[in-house]
Amino acid sequence: DGGITQSPKYLFRKEGQNVTLSCEQNLNHDAMYWYRQDPGQGLRLIYYSQIVNDFQKGDIAEGYSVSREKKESFPLTVTSAQKNPTAFYLCASSLIGGSYEQYFGPGTRLTVT
Amino acid sequence: AQSVTQLGSHVSVSEGALVLLRCNYSSSVPPYLFWYVQYPNQGLQLLLKYTTGATLVKGINGFEAEFKKSETSFHLTKPSAHMSDAAEYFCAVGTGGSYIPTFGRGTSLIVHP
Repeated sequence: DGGITQSPKYLFRKEGQNVTLSCEQNLNHDAMYWYRQDPGQGLRLIYYSQIVNDFQKGDIAEGYSVSREKKESFPLTVTSAQKNPTAFYLCASSLIGGSYEQYFGPGTRLTVT
Repeated sequence: AQSVTQLGSHVSVSEGALVLLRCNYSSSVPPYLFWYVQYPNQGLQLLLKYTTGATLVKGINGFEAEFKKSETSFHLTKPSAHMSDAAEYFCAVGTGGSYIPTFGRGTSLIVHP
């Protein structure tokens, strides 16, 4: 079955530690995205990538970093510089062209204490 | 620039009643319009989309939406609510010139027995 996987589902970290969230897709999509979701604020775009080895900042990139070394993978690192990292993180992918509808992974809930 | 407004952060209906979730958008070019559903602690799933052609779009789970250009609206409806419809619903707008959709803040649908 084609789809997007995110791991782990739940992640707990101590303040000051970097943490990497995994996102893999086997849909052969060119574009991949990372969103942060907080209650009542909808989805906010962190980073996105259209092709391998290239990515752009979204609306709230500060304190986050990404890489796109393979078409299938787009990991997100939440660094210690992110002031309020506790949130639900969603990865998505889409084709380039057409209507650009996005396919979402199941999400990772990160809790930092 | 494009934007989306979802009227009402919460909508409450009785089981069997009509569901109406409102979405208005702004876009300087013909839009692509989407409705996504999110169940608790899960990713988003595409309900339906409008790209071109017929303005009444049917989606999964008995939902439909009508694109009204003159009103810049894309309201989501379902004739009879079911308990399983309780979820968060997001409206999104995209255009052919940008593969980054803009999401509304979401509407939480509550279904009472």
